[in-house]
Amino acid sequence: DTEVTQTPKHLVMGMTNKKSLKCEQHMGHRAMYWYKQKAKKPPELMFVYSYEKLSINESVPSRFSPECPNSSLLNLHLHALQPEDSALYLCASSQLDGQGHEQYFGPGTRLTVT
Amino acid sequence: DAKTTQPPSMDCAEGRAANLPCNHSTISGNEYVYWYRQIHSQGPQYIIHGLKNNETNEMASLIITEDRKSSTLILPHATLRDTAVYYCIVRVAKIQGAQKLVFGQGTRLTINP
Repeated sequence: DTEVTQTPKHLVMGMTNKKSLKCEQHMGHRAMYWYKQKAKKPPELMFVYSYEKLSINESVPSRFSPECPNSSLLNLHLHALQPEDSALYLCASSQLDGQGHEQYFGPGTRLTVT
Repeated sequence: DAKTTQPPSMDCAEGRAANLPCNHSTISGNEYVYWYRQIHSQGPQYIIHGLKNNETNEMASLIITEDRKSSTLILPHATLRDTAVYYCIVRVAKIQGAQKLVFGQGTRLTINP
């Protein structure tokens, strides 16, 4: 199974709402990633977890709160977002270095903030 | 961070080889070159990677120049399903074993019937 799943596929939320994005993989990967992709732009790294610990935070605003409850799950909690946060949010996973090189991406959650 | 430069767009006829160039003149000796592609409305898909030797897999071939300052991704027999944005990436860092990939603007490849 080389699949990364993301739920929901689409999400519309108001600026005062709290919502969560979910990502799951069962490939035994111990690195998991969140990327943000605006329309017609390349993906931009937000967070990286290694062995369920946050290893990279690319200066992301605190209204985005990641969580890695176990080695298969990655969440992104959203609170008080702005309309400019509307984007495609991509999750990815990979083996840790020395074991493999590619990142496997999920299909993304398309988020619209109204 | 090592940077990559790609043409913004390319066209190729179906059935022909698609050759996508990438310049990475500031690459350092231990940095790999990765290629990913993103078909419309999907997540990026890994294609191939290499360090200094040419590589081939079931999807594509990667040709890296001897000085490692540029590379070419070759799709040998392009199909309409290969229409996508192709990203050439130089792995910029490993932090606690994880990879930090920095995507450039990519090349939008259109395969024409």
